This record gives sequence, structure tokens and C-alpha cells, in this order.
Amino acid sequence: NAGVMQNPRHLVRRRGQEARLRCSPMKGHSHVYWYRQLPEEGLKFMVYLQKENIIDESGMPKERFSAEFPKEGPSILRIQQVVRGDSAAYFCASSPGLSVEQYFGPGTRLTVT
Amino acid sequence: EDKVVQSPLSLVVHEGDTVTLNCSYEVTNFRSLLWYKQEKKAPTFLFMLTSSGIEKKSGRLSSILDKKELFSILNITATQTGDSAVYLCAALTQGGSEKLVFGKGTKLTVNP
Repeated sequence: NAGVMQNPRHLVRRRGQEARLRCSPMKGHSHVYWYRQLPEEGLKFMVYLQKENIIDESGMPKERFSAEFPKEGPSILRIQQVVRGDSAAYFCASSPGLSVEQYFGPGTRLTVT
Repeated sequence: EDKVVQSPLSLVVHEGDTVTLNCSYEVTNFRSLLWYKQEKKAPTFLFMLTSSGIEKKSGRLSSILDKKELFSILNITATQTGDSAVYLCAALTQGGSEKLVFGKGTKLTVNP
């Protein structure tokens, strides 16, 4: 059973461009979570999705950030008009249901120049 | 605001030593406490603790949760250089939305 897959692993964008980060959960997992890790900071929750539904986006910045988990295909975290402060490692996690452990992908390291 | 605090932030030991990592939490709608090991990449799941006072063990690692005092410890006995990593503690919330609230981690370095 393959683990959580994320791509790309590294992404470089210039200020003002868009960044799209992809996450394929483990097989059989229908719950997806996105976390952001800033330098010298802990992992911070961004958004929790189930298939075709956003359950909790309380950790997402109100502007420029959006997430989706369509019926078919990976979950996408989209950042529009990136700024230097968006540079971070973005981790995706998945779980098969509620109240169980979350398994993490290798992360996407976003660098904004 | 939900908060998880880990101590110490960093620790340097010699191979063979035993270490204890601490984690305290203040989280509304607390469900469980999880420990992860993070090397260069993905946090790797170690333990999930839901009940107070029940020790979980995996090889040289063990962990326990105290829900009255709101803390957990992770013990590593007979440390090896391969144990060098950042150990993350996270509280899992419940009640409509589930998310992990992470501490900043303890960076463990095991020297030969």
C-alpha cells in the first residue's frame, strides 16, 4: 500500500505567480488534511477535506488560498499571487476515518523568489 | 487558543542513554495525543494515546498519557544514532472537525 503522495516535492515560484500543490491520499483514505510548516515553527493546520467537501478551513488564510478534493483525482492546495511569506513546507496527511491517526506525505517545499 | 508545548526544545545525548521527552497540552475538544518522528521529510507516526495511564510500547520507545494533568511523555531507552530526529507531539481534536495541533518539536541528537 503506497503511502501519501505529494507532488511536486520542490516548487519555485516568483512573486505574483500561482502555486498548485497536489496530494494523493493512501488507498482507502477519504479524509485529507493540509498543514504548513514555516521555518522554526511547528506544523499548523490549514484545512480538512473529505471527498467533494471542505469540512474545516479555519486554518486557511482568507485570501489567495483555496483547497479542493474532487470526486476523482488528488486533493489540490492552490495559492494565488504568491508572496515571500508563503515560502514554507506544505504537508498533506490522510486518514481512513475519524478519531484515528493521520499519515503524512513527504511534503512540498515552496520557495517564492 | 489551543496550545501544545514540548520540552526540551533540543537534547544531545550519547548512544545508550535513556531520554524522556515531554508534552503538555491545552486543547478544547481533546480526543487523543499523538507522537511523530520527523527526519528530513514526512512525520512518521509513532503512537496514539487516548486513555490515561495506559503505556504504549514499540521496541525501545514507550509513551503514556495523563489526561488529568494534561501531559504525555515519550521515553526512548538505549538510544541509537538512528534515533536522531525531531519528535513531534500533537493533540487531535474532535467534535465536527478533526485536526492536529502540533508542538514545535524536540530535536534529539544522539552522538556515537
